[in-house]
Amino acid sequence: DVKVTQSSRYLVKRTGEKVFLECVQDMDHENMFWYRQDPGLGLRLIYFSYDVKMKEKGDIPEGYSVSREKKERFSLILESASTNQTSMYLCASSLEGTQETQYFGPGTRLLVL
Amino acid sequence: AQTVTQSQPEMSVQEAETVTLSCTYDTSESDYYLFWYKQPPSRQMILVIRQEAYKQQNATENRFSVNFQKAAKSFSLKISDSQLGDAAMYFCAYRSGPDYKLSFGAGTTVTVRA
Repeated sequence: DVKVTQSSRYLVKRTGEKVFLECVQDMDHENMFWYRQDPGLGLRLIYFSYDVKMKEKGDIPEGYSVSREKKERFSLILESASTNQTSMYLCASSLEGTQETQYFGPGTRLLVL
Repeated sequence: AQTVTQSQPEMSVQEAETVTLSCTYDTSESDYYLFWYKQPPSRQMILVIRQEAYKQQNATENRFSVNFQKAAKSFSLKISDSQLGDAAMYFCAYRSGPDYKLSFGAGTTVTVRA
């Protein structure tokens, strides 16, 4: 079974703090994704990566950056957290190729005060 | 950008009964994929069913089946013989053939009554 893990289930941060969300997958997937989930809006793609050190912006990249130094790990960085970044963050991974199914992690619920 | 619309924020079904969740999408492409994902209260999102647009036959996975109406751009999910474990939020998602990106609807929360 594919396993996608996220470093924290719940996180509370202060406005202006730098926040790191970590995602690790154990199935040697090439593609990794970061989404945020908000009520009434579904999931929206922030960034994705199709290879180590490669990244592409999704629909809502403003205020976020990402890092992929190793194939199994994809980090989402909030350079200066703001209250409007309070949300559920979901990581996903998939094999190479656009036909492949995405597998999701359990999510990190981030509260920015 | 593609738009995926789920018009039912909440649905309730009696155990053992059938419930149908609606989804419509907007696209001008001919090559695309459609998905239903389930997110139980524990929050781990899992794939329920997928449909390739070029396939005319509706996908089926055990008690889950879809009604894919390509001309109407409609992709509904039917859950038959509903079980308590089916209670979750269900998301409809679209992906263009050559693209990695999934576009999600707002979700439908399904409650199963014992």
